[in-house]
Amino acid sequence: EPEVTQTPSHQVTQMGQEVILRCVPISNHLYFYWYRQILGQKVEFLVSFYNNEISEKSEIFDDQFSVERPDGSNFTLKIRSTKLEDSAMYFCASRRDRGYEQYFGPGTRLTVT
Amino acid sequence: QQQVKQSPQSLIVQKGGISIINCAYENTAFDYFPWYQQFPGKGPALLIAIRPDVSEKKEGRFTISFNKSAKQFSLHIMDSQPGDSATYFCAATWSGNKLTFGGGTRVLVKP
Repeated sequence: EPEVTQTPSHQVTQMGQEVILRCVPISNHLYFYWYRQILGQKVEFLVSFYNNEISEKSEIFDDQFSVERPDGSNFTLKIRSTKLEDSAMYFCASRRDRGYEQYFGPGTRLTVT
Repeated sequence: QQQVKQSPQSLIVQKGGISIINCAYENTAFDYFPWYQQFPGKGPALLIAIRPDVSEKKEGRFTISFNKSAKQFSLHIMDSQPGDSATYFCAATWSGNKLTFGGGTRVLVKP
């Protein structure tokens, strides 16, 4: 069964550094999402992406964040200058054109020190 | 208006018992209500979902009850098993856009 994959599983970085989180969505899906979950809290929406452009973003997704689909399979989230409060689990999700089901990857744990 | 409120925050149930988790929403534009199951260190896994034109949906031991007029929906886990011990999130969306999640319920099934 196709799955969303994410790399790395755990990323440790120093405050102010840039990080890129990578996702490979399910191959025939067209809508892509990033969510984050601070430890012990609920899952929060960051951004949605369709047809090579951002379709919606949350207040969390400020100028420090960017997303890109550099090729036909990868979907990336970049944080330009990480802050301590960016420490969280970041989940990528995707869904196909018809249907509302969003499938999540296993997540990347980002630790900012 | 975008919030989804979930209760209880945690739940302990004996093996074989019924777990019931409730969610309430405000935005009447929501048209799809999924439940996700999450194990520690893992991503949320889609468990079951319902649309507002249906009052109940059952898949195996999992049932969603939906009350459109009250803007509430609930997840029932019948014959709860220790392997069901996880955190459960309700969510809502409209037209397949972003998911708005509830706060989560940590379920512990005691053997």
